[in-house]
Amino acid sequence: EVQLVESGGGVVQPGGSLRLSCAASGFTFDDYAMHWVRQAPGKGLEWVSLISGDGGSTYYADSVKGRFTISRDNSKNSLYLQMNSLRTEDTALYYCAKGQVTTDWDFDYWGQGTLVTVSS
Amino acid sequence: DIQMTQSPSSLSASVGDRVTITCRASQSISSYLNWYQQKPGKAPKLLIYAASSLQSGVPSRFSGSGSGTDFTLTISSLQPEDFATYYCQQSYSRVAFGQGTKLEIK
Repeated sequence: EVQLVESGGGVVQPGGSLRLSCAASGFTFDDYAMHWVRQAPGKGLEWVSLISGDGGSTYYADSVKGRFTISRDNSKNSLYLQMNSLRTEDTALYYCAKGQVTTDWDFDYWGQGTLVTVSS
Repeated sequence: DIQMTQSPSSLSASVGDRVTITCRASQSISSYLNWYQQKPGKAPKLLIYAASSLQSGVPSRFSGSGSGTDFTLTISSLQPEDFATYYCQQSYSRVAFGQGTKLEIK
């Protein structure tokens, strides 16, 4: 059974940093691209970032480019999101999601999310 | 960037109704269109991928159609557990989600 468990969320001041983690199990982790997708309170879904299975390729939404860094440790079946220079508009529930076998850019499994609140 | 527009934004329906939700892309995306269901407090769940392929384990009352710029999600006979918010998502050029359609009980 595929499981994705996020952690690392919390309350941080504007300009601060936070590192999110996602522990994966139930599939061959390094075979699949992984994503971060976020959802602001009461709002829709916003894609944040993708990393390829081998970690060699990364992509970011314009809203986070230059501030967030996605990474993975395939030896630990773990995905990360380093978030710097946080803004109030980054407040959201952050999901990690697994890419599909047919295409990296679809999401077939999602974690339950970790909440990031940016507030002074 | 490709923009995705869903209609309606909200919809009231009754158990047993046939319901259709529409998603339009700002440019052609071939069949790179997925549908997700999200219930309150839960993560999204993939229902339909590649416009019309049913994800494993999803009931057959859900179906998807369309290609190019216009797509539909149809629920043939609404069940109580189907009341949720539905999102379309294009994967033709990176990722973009529609704004969501909230399906409520009439």
